[in-house]
Amino acid sequence: QKEVEQNSGPLSVPEGAIASLNCTYSDRGSQSFFWYRQYSGKSPELIMFIYSNGDKEDGRFTAQLNKASQYVSLLIRDSQPSDSATYLCAVNAGNMLTFGGGTRLMVKP
Amino acid sequence: DTGVSQDPRHKITKRGQNVTFRCDPISEHNRLYWYRQTLGQGPEFLTYFQNEAQLEKSRLLSDRFSAERPKGSFSTLEIQRTEQGDSAMYLCASSLAGGGYTEAFFGQGTRLTVV
Repeated sequence: QKEVEQNSGPLSVPEGAIASLNCTYSDRGSQSFFWYRQYSGKSPELIMFIYSNGDKEDGRFTAQLNKASQYVSLLIRDSQPSDSATYLCAVNAGNMLTFGGGTRLMVKP
Repeated sequence: DTGVSQDPRHKITKRGQNVTFRCDPISEHNRLYWYRQTLGQGPEFLTYFQNEAQLEKSRLLSDRFSAERPKGSFSTLEIQRTEQGDSAMYLCASSLAGGGYTEAFFGQGTRLTVV
């Protein structure tokens, strides 16, 4: 079993809709959780991080964390075609990050 | 600061040759990480430094791989006797060590192709 699991997708949503990206992790000692966006051929770009249970909002992005269920999600409101990318969930339980395989998001005009 | 910088951006090498990549972290960051990413996969941790000390190495890092950070600033990753399976994007990231883990920022990556 992989330590960080994501549905590979593609997840297809129409422009203006809410995109919901999900991630589960296996290590209960994980302390911090990150979402990176990666465009094809480019390096990962940090978009959100969350440490505490609950929701954290930043513009059109909301990260949600439920440590009891070992579940973290990213909501993207008012999705735009420019949001089309692979979204990587990363989890820290020590001094480095463990990444999921990423979910490919496609936002259709 | 211009962020994390990696050089070269692309490298094509013949099987059996040695290659070396360089990473310059964000200047005030004392932690530096190397990851490897293959197509369709998430980045896989290779090793990390805090200042000049290499504190953790993945078992993915075979004895053909070596990394250094001689003065706690830039780092190099060398791959000896390259194999086709080494073809990947090599990513460097840096962060500021604090009370626990803090967010890491990635460089543009070095894409290695072994032919």
